[in-house]
Amino acid sequence: GAVVSQHPSRVICKSGTSVKIECRSLDFQATTMFWYRQFPKQSLMLMATSNEGSKATYEQGVEKDKFLINHASLTLSTLTVTSAHPEDSSFYICSASQDRGKATDTQYFGPGTRLTVL
Amino acid sequence: DAKTTQPNSMESNEEEPVHLPCNHSTISGTDYIHWYRQLPSQGPEYVIHGLTSNVNNRMASLAIAEDRKSSTLILHRATLRDAAVYYCITGSSNTGKLIFGQGTTLQVKP
Repeated sequence: GAVVSQHPSRVICKSGTSVKIECRSLDFQATTMFWYRQFPKQSLMLMATSNEGSKATYEQGVEKDKFLINHASLTLSTLTVTSAHPEDSSFYICSASQDRGKATDTQYFGPGTRLTVL
Repeated sequence: DAKTTQPNSMESNEEEPVHLPCNHSTISGTDYIHWYRQLPSQGPEYVIHGLTSNVNNRMASLAIAEDRKSSTLILHRATLRDAAVYYCITGSSNTGKLIFGQGTTLQVKP
């Protein structure tokens, strides 16, 4: 089956620093990648959709200047949380699909990255 | 994206079948019905998806109502490893986005 990895699996940083999270599709080319975040005891919230070679599309209420997304290749997308603050502490999850936004797409999810901002 | 309604929680006994219901009364004609599940501290895992006809795979079966306003995920023999949050999602036919609801927390008792 399709495998998606994330790195790091957990990160602790000081308030005001920036953190980069990598999402890789290991055995397939991901035309589209999605980024979610999940607070404790809550469901996943879609943050943005990124297509390889184009700018990410952010969901309403998600600050694009704070959450920088780069999808430079068909196997790698990165999420950078800039000037992180304690309220950004969350579980960040990426997913990848092989097709560009089709209804039949199966999304393959990474294992998640737990970010703690002190 | 169509909104889905699921029970907050369900219980099952090990090795018994489990029927997880989902209502999606505002689903559009081209939206697929997807099911994912999430174990604690892990990313979601694909379970099954369908459009109109019932679907079977090695993990589960998906029964879709004729009017498509509801569906049921069927785990034929629940195991302890099936304990998870199960999400029923109607995917956008234009963007492929998945909008997660609260899901059903399935507890499996030995």
